[in-house]
Amino acid sequence: DIQMTQSPSSLPASLGDRVTVTCRTSQSISTYLNWYQQKPGKAPKLLIYDATSLQSGVPSRFSGSGSGTDFTLTISSLQPEDFATYYCQQSFSTPWTFGQGTRVEIK
Amino acid sequence: QVQLQESGPGLVRPSQTLSLTCTVSGGSVSSGPYYWSWIRQPAGKGLEWIGRVYTSGGSNNNPSLKSRVTMSVDTSRNQFSLNMSSVTAADTAVYFCARESSEVYTIDHWGQGILVSVSS
Repeated sequence: DIQMTQSPSSLPASLGDRVTVTCRTSQSISTYLNWYQQKPGKAPKLLIYDATSLQSGVPSRFSGSGSGTDFTLTISSLQPEDFATYYCQQSFSTPWTFGQGTRVEIK
Repeated sequence: QVQLQESGPGLVRPSQTLSLTCTVSGGSVSSGPYYWSWIRQPAGKGLEWIGRVYTSGGSNNNPSLKSRVTMSVDTSRNQFSLNMSSVTAADTAVYFCARESSEVYTIDHWGQGILVSVSS
């Protein structure tokens, strides 16, 4: 299985901050990397697919980059509704695997 | 807009079989290009992909669950199902059903999730 390592696990931040979450994979996955946002008690929501493509309806302050084994999710200016947990997921080979999550919390 | 809804017992006894159904509305389980998936999340923990079932009836499971998992599709009811045998407390989790695009391999629609507890 492809192992996913996200960092940091917790990220205190303030409104308006630029926030970056990192995801590293145990082997090269080209750009087969997706990002999800999950709020407490809710299902995850797809934000970014194919490492850099913004899912329809997702605000443009979210962006993704990377290829191979190193990927980042960036929120350009943190909004109140962005405090949540973010997961990366590889879609290079089954079983699909997820990172352990990064909780973006209020500083 | 497609919607998915999980249903099934919230409590399962150890060693018994967990059975969940996902009802799809606003779309058809027969239409492509989609797979129909199950993902679970223990309380306070991360996400684990259980597997997916195809409209043809074939499936692709997570080897970590060995042969405990079977999945099926019922096109007449627009539903798909998960059965997990020989459950233990480690299988206690919120179970999500979801739709996966077979073109870009993204999980683009999720059910709200159902909590299943394994306890005697």
